Amino acid sequence: GAVVSQHPSWVICKSGTSVKIECRSLDFQATTMFWYRQFPKQSLMLMATSNEGSKATYEQGVEKDKFLINHASLTLSTLTVTSAHPEDSSFYICSARGTGWADQPQHFGDGTRLSIL
Amino acid sequence: AQTVTQSQPEMSVQEAETVTLSCTYDTSESDYYLFWYKQPPSRQMILVIRQEAYKQQNATENRFSVNFQKAAKSFSLKISDSQLGDAAMYFCAYRSAGGWSNYQLIWGAGTKLIIKP
Repeated sequence: GAVVSQHPSWVICKSGTSVKIECRSLDFQATTMFWYRQFPKQSLMLMATSNEGSKATYEQGVEKDKFLINHASLTLSTLTVTSAHPEDSSFYICSARGTGWADQPQHFGDGTRLSIL
Repeated sequence: AQTVTQSQPEMSVQEAETVTLSCTYDTSESDYYLFWYKQPPSRQMILVIRQEAYKQQNATENRFSVNFQKAAKSFSLKISDSQLGDAAMYFCAYRSAGGWSNYQLIWGAGTKLIIKP
C-alpha cells in the first residue's frame, strides 16, 4: 500500500527558532500534498495544499510567511514553521495524493508533535 | 460550500456489540466520495471505509459497513462485534469527485468511540 513518511515525529525547540517538517511519499508519486494542523480533541484543519512544482495554496487565516511550504519534487514536501512561538505548538499532519483516477484517496503521515518552549 | 456534521461527540459500546456512528453532509454536487477515518491514540489517520456517491451499494470492509442514504445526505458507519482496538476518534469526510477542488477533504468534528470491556 501507499506509504507516507513524516519526520520528525516529535520536536521540542525554543521560541524563535525555525522548525522543518518533512513529508515523503515512499512508494508513489505525490502530485498533491496537504498539510493539516490538529488541536487536541478537534478535527483536522487544512492549512495548505501544494502541487508539485507550484506555490502552495493557503487556507484563509494561515500565514504563508509563517508556515513555508515547499513541494519541489513528486515525493517530498516540507513545512517550515518560521520563528516559532508557543502558540504554534500543535500536531501537524501531512497527507499525499498520487496521480491517477479521481478516486485516489489521501494517504497520511503519522504526524509531528511540535512543542515550542 | 460543502459541510460535514457529526452530531455525536462521544459514543460508547460494550465489547462484541454493534455501534453506529452518524454523519450527515450538505452538498449540491451529484458526484463525490465519502470516507470514514479512524484516529487511535497514536494519532495515525487510518482509512476505514470509502463510498462512491454514484454507487448505490453500501461499502463494507469486514466488521465495518456504511449506510449511505444519498437523498437524505446521510453516511453512517456501523461497527459490528466491537473490539477494544476499535477505540478511537472517528472522522467522517467528504470529497468532491472533480479535480477543481484539488481533492481536498471536508472533515466532520469527529466522534470519540469508547469500547467497554
